[in-house]
Amino acid sequence: QSVLTQPPSASGTPGQRVTISCSGNNSNIGSHNANWYHQSPGAAPKLVIYDNNQRPSGVPDRFSGSKSGTSASLAISGLQSDDEGHYYCGTWDDSLNAVFGGGTKLTVL
Amino acid sequence: QIQLQQSGPGLVKPSQTLSLICAISGDNVSTKTATWNWIRLSPSRGLEWLGRAYYRSKWYTDYAVSVVGRITINPDTSKDQFSLHLNSVTPEDAAVYFCARGGIADSRGLFHLHAFHIWGQGTVVTVSS
Repeated sequence: QSVLTQPPSASGTPGQRVTISCSGNNSNIGSHNANWYHQSPGAAPKLVIYDNNQRPSGVPDRFSGSKSGTSASLAISGLQSDDEGHYYCGTWDDSLNAVFGGGTKLTVL
Repeated sequence: QIQLQQSGPGLVKPSQTLSLICAISGDNVSTKTATWNWIRLSPSRGLEWLGRAYYRSKWYTDYAVSVVGRITINPDTSKDQFSLHLNSVTPEDAAVYFCARGGIADSRGLFHLHAFHIWGQGTVVTVSS
């Protein structure tokens, strides 16, 4: 059972906007920045959002993040077929461990 | 351009030790602005952080509660690489293992050590006799 809670699945049609939530507590998301990763089948995870709302170089601005209290969210606008895969939230915990959510499988219909 | 290249066996017998190496190119394992991590992915556990090593005038390691006592992460400064050793493995340790660098720099020059921005290619580890 993962420390952070995510919905197991999400879906949308091409061009739509989808959001994925991530819930934690005061010792993790409430105290530290949230990061988001996209994992396509057979590939390593790719960082798409760090520091709650920052995009690494090369990540399109269709991806955005936010954090409020002990929850974080990832939004993807203008949904494309390449966006399919699993999305994981992650952060640091005061127990000196990195923690992740269980992952959300995004399907582009 | 920083890259991580993993090597090591994909099949480990129960009760034995899983050993993997992550070779770093384009960076130094002794850099003071990064951490060097091992993370695994399995259908049952999702993404699970195992531990990290980092240098800040001396070497430090942190290990996940789930594997503490069985895990060692060792940096090798002569080869700019770091290794994972996980002993007494069971079928529950079967997963895809990744090494990852923490420490992406933002536009203000700050380093975000808990954001894993560079990953190795992954090693599928099976635990079976």
